[in-house]
Amino acid sequence: DIVMTQSPDSLAVSLGERATINCKSSQSVLYNSNNQNYLAWYQHKVGQPPKLLIYYASTRESGVPDRFSASGSGTDFTLSISSLQAEDVAVYYCQQYYNTRQAFGGGTKVEIK
Amino acid sequence: EVQLWESGGGLVQPGGSLRLSCAASGFTFSSYAMSWVRQAPGKGLEWISGISANTPSTYYADSVQGRFTISRDNSKNTLYLQMNSLRADDTAVYYCAKMTTGTTSPIGYWGQGTLVTVSS
Repeated sequence: DIVMTQSPDSLAVSLGERATINCKSSQSVLYNSNNQNYLAWYQHKVGQPPKLLIYYASTRESGVPDRFSASGSGTDFTLSISSLQAEDVAVYYCQQYYNTRQAFGGGTKVEIK
Repeated sequence: EVQLWESGGGLVQPGGSLRLSCAASGFTFSSYAMSWVRQAPGKGLEWISGISANTPSTYYADSVQGRFTISRDNSKNTLYLQMNSLRADDTAVYYCAKMTTGTTSPIGYWGQGTLVTVSS
């Protein structure tokens, strides 16, 4: 099974500053046949279901603000929030969907400093 | 509009059983893979089971393999999770989730979740 590891567990960022979250998979999630990384990012706010932000490692879901960006390939991935807003306070998860037995990272809690 | 509505959660004793249901609407249910994801109190998200769209293949996390069974009734637009031999560490909010396409695709929509509490 593929294990997903996120870092840090939490971070506090000032409003308007950049937040960066890392995600590492125990094996590559790059699907060679289409050269896509089967890696997604979700935002989970308190009292709400999670929301898909990014898929294929760097493609923003429709309606997601462009301050959210993501990159990476193979086993190492990053989610960035370029200018943190108050509404971005949440826990962020990476997820591999390369396997039918999918897996989430442990989550990164983003707070306002 | 896609809607997923879980039901069936509640309090159950250790060793007991519970069946969760997820009523889906707003999309062609039979065309999409589905999953169950849970979140234990104070913990992160855990994918626990998935099922393909038709002639369904099923998949389970090690933590629930052999105890939980996922199924679907495409004629009723409903997803199920039969949970047997429940343990205290199965206590969690259980989310029904619609994949964007097949079983190797991300989760595009989530239900609001239903709470399962395993306690004596």
